[in-house]
Amino acid sequence: SQQGEEDPQALSIQEGENATMNCSYKTSINNLQWYRQNSGRGLVHLILIRSNEREKHSGRLRVTLDTSKKSSSLLITASRAADTASYFCATERGTDKLIFGTGTRLQVFP
Amino acid sequence: GEEVAQTPKHLVRGEGQKAKLYCAPIKGHSYVFWYQQVLKNEFKFLISFQNENVFDETGMPKERFSAKCLPNSPCSLEIQATKLEDSAVYFCASSRTGGEGEKLFFGSGTQLSVL
Repeated sequence: SQQGEEDPQALSIQEGENATMNCSYKTSINNLQWYRQNSGRGLVHLILIRSNEREKHSGRLRVTLDTSKKSSSLLITASRAADTASYFCATERGTDKLIFGTGTRLQVFP
Repeated sequence: GEEVAQTPKHLVRGEGQKAKLYCAPIKGHSYVFWYQQVLKNEFKFLISFQNENVFDETGMPKERFSAKCLPNSPCSLEIQATKLEDSAVYFCASSRTGGEGEKLFFGSGTQLSVL
């Protein structure tokens, strides 16, 4: 991967459960973003966390960032079948391009 | 428009043929990015534009790949003499200013199949 590695590669859970995805990266960053990709579609931006932030919330999403470990996690609480998608982290340094991770495929069963 | 429009949705080419993909960014967005996604895995950055100027082309294969963003026209990505390994989904994205922390808006992609 150019920058980010995500794990797990795939995750299957039941509706109502929480889903946690992790992202590790290799170099220092200015910010980290999470995107979602539904099957056959482009990426949709979910949330951004800056390098000086440790945690951020948006609705059912919670993102953490640990710059000392070069890692981030995305938690989706009370998951729904509609959350089924692939989730990608993306890192940015300065005004450089976004570098995407390998993605986690999340399947939420009703 | 209010969304990034990519055409065509699907493109099939025989090895050695040319492929040309188009992208209309969101109106008012100055930056355009092209990414390649192989087998639903990571997105490989290809090239970015600031208006009609190449901003970063570090991801572009030196041979066979070219791209343009001309005034009052959709941006384009062209692959000369396609190879099997070029089979992928090519995504275009745009952003308003390209500034740090700015989110990208993606199109739905062009699925290129090289046979």
